[in-house]
Amino acid sequence: KQEVTQIPAALSVPEGENLVLNCSFTDSAIYNLQWFRQDPGKGLTSLLLIQSSQREQTSGRLNASLDKSSGRSTLYIAASQPGDSATYLCALNTDKLIFGTGTRLQVFP
Amino acid sequence: NAGVTQTPKFQVLKTGQSMTLQCAQDMNHNSMYWYRQDPGMGLRLIYYSASEGTTDKGEVPNGYNVSRLNKREFSLRLESAAPSQTSVYFCASSDSSVYNEQFFGPGTRLTVL
Repeated sequence: KQEVTQIPAALSVPEGENLVLNCSFTDSAIYNLQWFRQDPGKGLTSLLLIQSSQREQTSGRLNASLDKSSGRSTLYIAASQPGDSATYLCALNTDKLIFGTGTRLQVFP
Repeated sequence: NAGVTQTPKFQVLKTGQSMTLQCAQDMNHNSMYWYRQDPGMGLRLIYYSASEGTTDKGEVPNGYNVSRLNKREFSLRLESAAPSQTSVYFCASSDSSVYNEQFFGPGTRLTVL
């Protein structure tokens, strides 16, 4: 059974720092991996999707990488801002999405 | 462009009452999904519909029924609500290609007393 783990569960950093969020999984048979952002009391916003055949995707200050052989994905956030404060979720698509429990990020001024 | 919409946003039920959560998407997607989100458990798939006219069970289907009314709408019904069904419910949709990026609605916060 596919298991998805996100470490750390919570992270607090000062504004301007570059940071890395981690997502690990046990089964490399995936179609793709999707990173989401969730603000308190809100729905999920899709940030990046990496296809199984890709190594990374970039959108603005965000860069997501995928290494299927080691069962890892990372979300890199450059020059963090208070507006980046949210919970970040990774989800593996094995024809259905399997979610990690998320990393709660707080960026303080 | 509304994307995925859900009604209601909030609902309080008494144990044993029934209700239907509504979901609609305007992106012409074939596939639709219902998830629940609980603290410490992450999001778990309840039911999904790969295409109009089909529905399948997900990870936690017990106590729920679904209807794919047409291509746009996918409803989730609780026939006899229980306190264990207190949760936040999300609807999502995607096209049917391998690309399969899912788009989520804003959620329904349900409390069962």
